[in-house]
Formats: sequence, structure tokens, C-alpha cells
Amino acid sequence: KAGVTQTPRYLIKTRGQQVTLSCSPISGHRSVSWYQQTPGQGLQFLFEYFSETQRNKGNFPGRFSGRQFSNSRSEMNVSTLELGDSALYLCASSLEPWDHSGSYEQYFGPGTRLTVT
Amino acid sequence: DAKTTQPNSMESNEEEPVHLPCNHSTISGTDYIHWYRQLPSQGPEYVIHGLTSNVNNRMASLAIAEDRKSSTLILHRATLRDAAVYYCIPGNQFYFGTGTSLTVIP
Repeated sequence: KAGVTQTPRYLIKTRGQQVTLSCSPISGHRSVSWYQQTPGQGLQFLFEYFSETQRNKGNFPGRFSGRQFSNSRSEMNVSTLELGDSALYLCASSLEPWDHSGSYEQYFGPGTRLTVT
Repeated sequence: DAKTTQPNSMESNEEEPVHLPCNHSTISGTDYIHWYRQLPSQGPEYVIHGLTSNVNNRMASLAIAEDRKSSTLILHRATLRDAAVYYCIPGNQFYFGTGTSLTVIP
């Protein structure tokens, strides 16, 4: 079974631009989560999607948004890029959404390395 | 969310067992305990998870204290490939903390 795939793997953008990142979950997985990883802040949760609905959201500004399609594939968008948005963006998929106890494990993709200049 | 405490770093000799501790004293009764690891330049990788009793899989064993306030991830024979940051996540599995950086010495 193929793992989580993310495209593109590397991206260079300029301040003020916007970017869209894509994630294809493991076949049969219905929940997709997004994370930002930077050396200073570590791995930070952005949002979780299930059945095309955002179920959980981390503490990020509204410039960060996402969506999920009916086939469970997901995209995240960052508008008006800032230098501080340079990071590794990770997508994870899970069979079911987080259920307040955390009984389902997540499987991560390789990430998209975004550099903002 | 349960407060988690892990050592910042640990070292182990290759082919020896490694016990990675985690304290999660505020865990609730229904929270699963997940462990993930992240190898350099890769996304995190699921290792194991459990609720109350000890769990084993092909990668590792998870020993959960009877009061569930702590757990230990056990790598039975450390290899160089096990050098990674190990995250213990009780409950809300979206919050990874800083983890334990494991160095394996050849």
C-alpha cells in the first residue's frame, strides 16, 4: 500500500506570494492533518480534516487554510507569505479522525520544504 | 492535554537495549499513549501506541506503568538506524513536544 505523498517536495517563494501544498493520504484513510516544523518551534499542529470538514485547528493565523476533497486528498494554502513561514510542512493521514483519546495512529508523508525569500 | 516530560537526549551503544522514559502524570483515563520517531530529514514515523497494558510490535515494546502516569519505550537492540528524535504523546496526538534525541554509538 502506498504511503502518504506530498507535492511538491521543495518550493521557493517570495514574500507576499501565496502557496498551495498537496497531500494524498494512504488509501482508505479518511483523516488528514497538517503540521509545520521549524528548528525554533518544533512540530506544530495546523489543522485536521475529515469528511471535507475541518475538525481541529491549531494556533495559526488565518493566512493558513486548508481543505479536503471527497477522495480524502487535502490541500493547504498559505497566503501573503512571510519569511517566518519557511518550514517543513508535513501531512499525516489516519483511518479515522482524532477521537479525544487518540486511538488511531497517524502516518506522515515526507513533507514539503518551503523556503520564503 | 496531558503534560509530558521526556529527557532531552540519551545515548545508547549499538546492539544494546534502550529504554526511553516518558512522564505524563496528568493523563486522563481514556488517553492512549503514542510514540513516534523522526529520523533526520524525514517525516515522523509511527512506532507504537497503547492504553493500559504493555504492547509489542516489530519495532518496539511499550511498557505502561500501572497508574499510567509514565511509560517506557523499549528498543530491544539499538541499531544505527534507530538514531532519531522520539516523541511520547499522551492523549491529544496533535501536540508533539520536544522529544528525546537518541544517539546510537557504534
